Amino acid sequence: DADVTQTPRNRITKTGKRIMLECSQTKGHDRMYWYRQDPGLGLQLIYYSFDVKDINKGEISDGYSVSRQAQAKFSLSLESAIPNQTALYFCATSPGAFLSTDTQYFGPGTRLTVL
Amino acid sequence: QKEVEQNSGPLSVPEGAIASLNCTYSDRGSQSFFWYRQYSGKSPELIMSIYSNGDKEDGRFTAQLNKASQYVSLLIRDSQPSDSATYLCAVIAGNTGKLIFGQGTTLQVKP
Repeated sequence: DADVTQTPRNRITKTGKRIMLECSQTKGHDRMYWYRQDPGLGLQLIYYSFDVKDINKGEISDGYSVSRQAQAKFSLSLESAIPNQTALYFCATSPGAFLSTDTQYFGPGTRLTVL
Repeated sequence: QKEVEQNSGPLSVPEGAIASLNCTYSDRGSQSFFWYRQYSGKSPELIMSIYSNGDKEDGRFTAQLNKASQYVSLLIRDSQPSDSATYLCAVIAGNTGKLIFGQGTTLQVKP
């Protein structure tokens, strides 16, 4: 079984709809992250969580919200989807033992299309 | 200036050659550097991490770090067509734990 799973893997929705992307991990890591990737671009950080009670905004958090339901679960919501949120979304986790050497491991991704 | 910069490529090399991928970063306080490989439509996969100046070798891959020049590179020896992918350079920003990615370099290995 994969250590980091994301659901759904593909989603097509319409403008204005609320969408939730879910991430679960069995790695036992404290830290979880949400990124988006647009064609030809690197990954941009949306939100990150260093533990269940700690949620932080990344570089592109506008239009998104998150919920850390448990150590193993981190959900990303688009309250009212718009077409320019069409992208590939990745969840990642890291153990968090040392800030300066923390290694991130990625889930398989969710391809979201907003029409 | 972008925090992490890579040449987007594509970099094309013949099978069996050495592929050299380069990355520069702007935060002189950065301490941790990573190379991820990403196949089209797939998630990034960690290839190498490097924390100290010098070379680090793992199989056909060698990461090189020069903190004075703020430069990190990845060498792939005996390149194979299966190495064709986008290679992402990533740097942990200071002591924040946040990973900053370059835009990636596309490598094409031609048989």
